[in-house]
Amino acid sequence: EAGVVQSPRYKIIEKKQPVAFWCNPISGHNTLYWYLQNLGQGPELLIRYENEEAVDDSQLPKDRFSAERLKGVDSTLKIQPAELGDSAVYLCASSLSTSTGELFFGEGSRLTVL
Amino acid sequence: GENVEQHPSTLSVQEGDSAVIKCTYSDSASNYFPWYKQELGKGPQLIIDIRSNVGEKKDQRIAVTLNKTAKHFSLHITETQPEDSAVYFCAASNSNYQLIWGAGTKLIIKP
Repeated sequence: EAGVVQSPRYKIIEKKQPVAFWCNPISGHNTLYWYLQNLGQGPELLIRYENEEAVDDSQLPKDRFSAERLKGVDSTLKIQPAELGDSAVYLCASSLSTSTGELFFGEGSRLTVL
Repeated sequence: GENVEQHPSTLSVQEGDSAVIKCTYSDSASNYFPWYKQELGKGPQLIIDIRSNVGEKKDQRIAVTLNKTAKHFSLHITETQPEDSAVYFCAASNSNYQLIWGAGTKLIIKP
């Protein structure tokens, strides 16, 4: 069974440029999460989807970040414009549902903003 | 607000010895406590979890204990091996199914 797939794995951009990350969750998983992880810290939730509905986006900086999950499967996370402080690893995870427990993470997309 | 404190931030043990990582949580309504292992360049992976109706759970060399009264839970790894070297995260799930994560423990296994 394929795991959670993220792309790109690495992205280097200059500040004020846009960037987008893509996530393909495990087939059949209704819940999809985007997390931000800074070096030496735990993951921080940005947004959680139940199917195509964003049910928790309270931590998403909506002035520059946006996300979508078309047809309740793949998801994209966009930053426009990127700032120096956005340099981090962006992790996507999926689970069967919110209440089932285990999250399956992708390998992450490492963003460097110069 | 809700938070999870994790200690120590770095733990170095001799191969074959035991390792213990401790976490405390603030939300008394938390009912699910997973532990994740993260290897370099990879996403976290669940290694064991426990729910609030259980005090202890064991899976081969790994065990988790939960003290609801004190709001503590711990990860125990026995007979440590080089492949146990990684960063370990504890987390607690609140009543809204949100996971609150600890800051992580870097476990180093010395040969």
